[in-house]
This record gives sequence, C-alpha cells and structure tokens, in this order.
Amino acid sequence: GIQVEQSPPDLILQEGANSTLRCNFSDSVNNLQWFHQNPWGQLINLFYIPSGTKQNGRLSATTVATERYSLLYISSSQTTDSGVYFCAAWTGANSKLTFGKGITLSVRP
Amino acid sequence: DTEVTQTPKHLVMGMTNKKSLKCEQHMGHRAMYWYKQKAKKPPELMFVYSYEKLSINESVPSRFSPECPNSSLLNLHLHALQPEDSALYLCASSQDSLGPSNEQFFGPGTRLTVL
Repeated sequence: GIQVEQSPPDLILQEGANSTLRCNFSDSVNNLQWFHQNPWGQLINLFYIPSGTKQNGRLSATTVATERYSLLYISSSQTTDSGVYFCAAWTGANSKLTFGKGITLSVRP
Repeated sequence: DTEVTQTPKHLVMGMTNKKSLKCEQHMGHRAMYWYKQKAKKPPELMFVYSYEKLSINESVPSRFSPECPNSSLLNLHLHALQPEDSALYLCASSQDSLGPSNEQFFGPGTRLTVL
C-alpha cells in the first residue's frame, strides 16, 4: 500500500513565525487531505488538495502530484496553531485513507 | 453543515460491560467510518460502511461490532473489551467511499477507558 511520510516530526516556533510542513507519498494519489488535531482530539479539516495550491487565511497548501509531495504553510503562527498536523492520502485502490505519523507543532508565546 | 457528532464524549467501562458508541451526520454522505487512535499515533481504520453495507473490516476483533441503522447513523457496539482497547474512537463520513468526492470529515471522538 501507499506510504505517507511527514517531516519534521516535531516543530517548535515562536509566536509570529512562519513554518513549512512536508508530506511525501510513495504512489499517485486521488485524494490528499491535511488535518489539524487539537489538544482535545478533534480532527479539523484544513485542506482537501490532491493537486495545486489552496489558501485559507494564514494557511496555504500546495500538492505537486507528479513529484509526490505536499506542503502546508503556516504564516504568522499563533498559540492556537499548536497541535498535531496529519496528512492523509487515498489512492483509489480501496476505501482507505492512509495517514502519516503526524507533525507535532508547539507555538510558544 | 460539515458536522459529524459523536456520543458520548467520554466512556469508562469494565471488561464485562456492554456499551455502544454513536455517530451521526446530516450531510447526505453515503460512506461512514470508524477509526481507533492511540496516544501519539495516527488514526487507524477499523470499519467502512458504504451505502449502509459493511465494505471493509480491518480484521477487528469481534468484541467490536459495528452497525449502520440508516445512512445518517453509525454505531459501534462494545462487549468484553480489554484494557488495551482504551483509545480515542473517531467516526468519519464522506460523500462516498470510492469516488473522487471522498473528502472525509471527522467527529470529535469518544475517549474510551476500559478498566
């Protein structure tokens, strides 16, 4: 099955800093999602982005499907951005969304 | 409305108890999912329902029994669980399970503790 790798595993930022989170996947994908899991466990949809670039406020994402990676950009980080960021990919071979191991982000005031 | 609801938020049960987790969505989605998530790990798929029929069982022990009474509701019946089954149980839904419109939306989860 598809392998999904995220880097870096942990990231510590000062409030106001920018960051880039990376997701590599081993096969062609039909679906690529980015989620933010808050400290209470809720998985919040950030982007559904199998290809191209999308922006939502301070967050943006780019997926280069031909090179099998996706990037999540966080600008002017806030303490509420803290949590775990997952990317998850779906190849269309079955109904399974394969998750990466996650990136733990801590934004300090 | 992109909301999936789950009840209860927290559940503590003994190994001999029978309990159920409930999940509901009103987005008209035809695929629903149960995931299990242990601390500091990604969610792991347990079951997939597509058009109210079980389409995937990821070799889950029979002490977990899913049920899909209608297209909006998904239950997970629990019986004779073990302490290692303690985890966050997440429900998700998507428009369908195999087509291009399968963006998944997750509920807030049920945090289960088995004593």
